[in-house]
Formats: sequence, structure tokens, C-alpha cells
Amino acid sequence: GQQLNQSPQSMFIQEGEDVSMNCTSSSIFNTWLWYKQEPGEGPVLLIALYKAGELTSNGRLTAQFGITRKDSFLNISASIPSDVGIYFCAAAWNYGQNFVFGPGTRLSVLP
Amino acid sequence: SQTIHQWPATLVQPVGSPLSLECTVEGTSNPNLYWYRQAAGRGLQLLFYSIGIGQISSEVPQNLSASRPQDRQFILSSKKLLLSDSGFYLCAWRNTGEGQAFFGQGTRLTVV
Repeated sequence: GQQLNQSPQSMFIQEGEDVSMNCTSSSIFNTWLWYKQEPGEGPVLLIALYKAGELTSNGRLTAQFGITRKDSFLNISASIPSDVGIYFCAAAWNYGQNFVFGPGTRLSVLP
Repeated sequence: SQTIHQWPATLVQPVGSPLSLECTVEGTSNPNLYWYRQAAGRGLQLLFYSIGIGQISSEVPQNLSASRPQDRQFILSSKKLLLSDSGFYLCAWRNTGEGQAFFGQGTRLTVV
């Protein structure tokens, strides 16, 4: 079945550093989403991407829809302690009913 | 604006007992609705999705079932819980034809 791979699985960074994580697939998608989940909470949508090559920002977060339509990356600039959480990518094809989720990248920010 | 409500937030149930988790969406019509399960420290596993009243698709065969008795209500049930049913259950919705999906706050289920 379709699967998404996320890397890295986890990362420990110093406060103030920039973060980069990515999501890849062997299949083509035309929707890529990035979510953040904090402990005991549901995932919260951060950025949605609908067009190959699209680069979208949300505050300190920037995400891009890869031109091959098989990947996406998320960057966080100048990390702060509240950035801690698990970041999930999700993808869908042609607004189909189902989303495919990646296994997540766990981010820890050290003061 | 649209909101999603999921309850209860936490639940401790004995093995063999029944389960009913409820999810409702406000502010939209005919949404696609989803139930996911998340094991501790793991990703999201799609359990069921629904594109309309009474229309349920199952992604993973198990002792859980889902129902959609009303347009904006999605229920996850079990007749007899197993220890392996423990986890964090998430409901999500999406408008048909739109890419973004939104999640509820989740229910932490512990089967003892």
C-alpha cells in the first residue's frame, strides 16, 4: 500500500536553531499537509500544499510541495520551546477519501 | 466556523466491555468523517471513513465498528474490548473536494 517516509525520526536541537524535516513517497500525490501534535492532543494543521513546487509559509514555518509530487519538506526557523511535538506529513491524491500519514518526526528543543 | 467535538477525553474500560466513542462536527454539511487510532509514540492508523450517512468504509479488520446515524455524527463502537484496543482515538473531518482535514482532541482509551 501507499506509505510515506519521514526523516529524521527524531531530532534534538538548541533553541534558536533552524529545523528541516522531509517526507517522501514512492507514489504521486496532489495534496500535501503538515500537522503538529502535542502530547494528549489531536494533530493541528500547520500548512496545506496543493500545487507542485508550491512554497507556503505560516509564521516561522515554511513548507514546499516537491516538483516530482513525491515529496515535501517543512522548515522551522529560529526554534522555540513551544515547537516541541511530533510533526506529521500527510498526502492525498485528487481529493480522494483517504489520507496517507507519515510516521512522524519527534522534535525536542533544548533551552 | 467549523468545529469538531469528540468525547469522552479519557476512558478506562475493562476487557470484554462495550465501547462507544462519539464525534460530532458543527458548521458544515456532508463532511467526510474519519476515525484514526494512534498507539503510544506511533503514527496514525486509519480505521474507518465515511462519505455520507450510513456509508462506512473499513480500512482495518478488527473488533471495532463505526456508524454514521446523522450527517455530522460519527460513532466508533465495540461489543467486547480487547487489551490491544488501548490507544488514542482521533476523529477527523474534511469537506468533500477540499484537501484539508481537521482533527478532534482525541480520546485516550485504556483497556484493563
